[in-house]
Amino acid sequence: GAVVSQHPSWVICKSGTSVKIECRSLDFQATTMFWYRQFPKQSLMLMATSNEGSKATYEQGVEKDKFLINHASLTLSTLTVTSAHPEDSSFYICSAAERGLNEQFFGPGTRLTVL
Amino acid sequence: LAKTTQPISMDSYEGQEVNITCSHNNIATNDYITWYQQFPSQGPRFIIQGYKTKVTNEVASLFIPADRKSSTLSLPRVSLSDTAVYYCLVGDRGPGNKLTFGGGTRVLVKP
Repeated sequence: GAVVSQHPSWVICKSGTSVKIECRSLDFQATTMFWYRQFPKQSLMLMATSNEGSKATYEQGVEKDKFLINHASLTLSTLTVTSAHPEDSSFYICSAAERGLNEQFFGPGTRLTVL
Repeated sequence: LAKTTQPISMDSYEGQEVNITCSHNNIATNDYITWYQQFPSQGPRFIIQGYKTKVTNEVASLFIPADRKSSTLSLPRVSLSDTAVYYCLVGDRGPGNKLTFGGGTRVLVKP
């Protein structure tokens, strides 16, 4: 099956710094990528949808200036958490979908801890 | 997007069959039913998808009654490694379509 990777798998940063998380589709071209956030013992919450070459569409309540999403190529999307604070500590998961197929493939997730 | 309701948790024992029922009363004509499995600190993994009647693959079966207002995921002969959270999602297929995750069912398989 299709493989989606994320880097890093975990990151610890100081409050006020910015953190970039990469999501790559390894063996297919991802025309659409999605970013989710998951707090402990909770379900996944969709943050934004990004299409290659277009601006991301953010879900209600998600600050686009805080969570910068770039989908510059068909195999790479990045999520930058700017000026991170402890409340941004969470598990961030991306998924990718290929044009013509009906399945989303999820990455392994990135654990962000903001001190 | 159709809302889904699942039991919060379910316990089972190794070798037993586990059936998880999901209610989706306002499912739309174009909606499909998809189940995902998630282990702790991992991304969700696709299990099975169906539209009506019964779908079976190498890991699970999905039963969908004629009115499609509910569906049941059946995991045959579970093992300890099947302990996970199982999510039922309902929505139109298509690579650009958003997935809305409900609460999921936490399945604990005991020895």
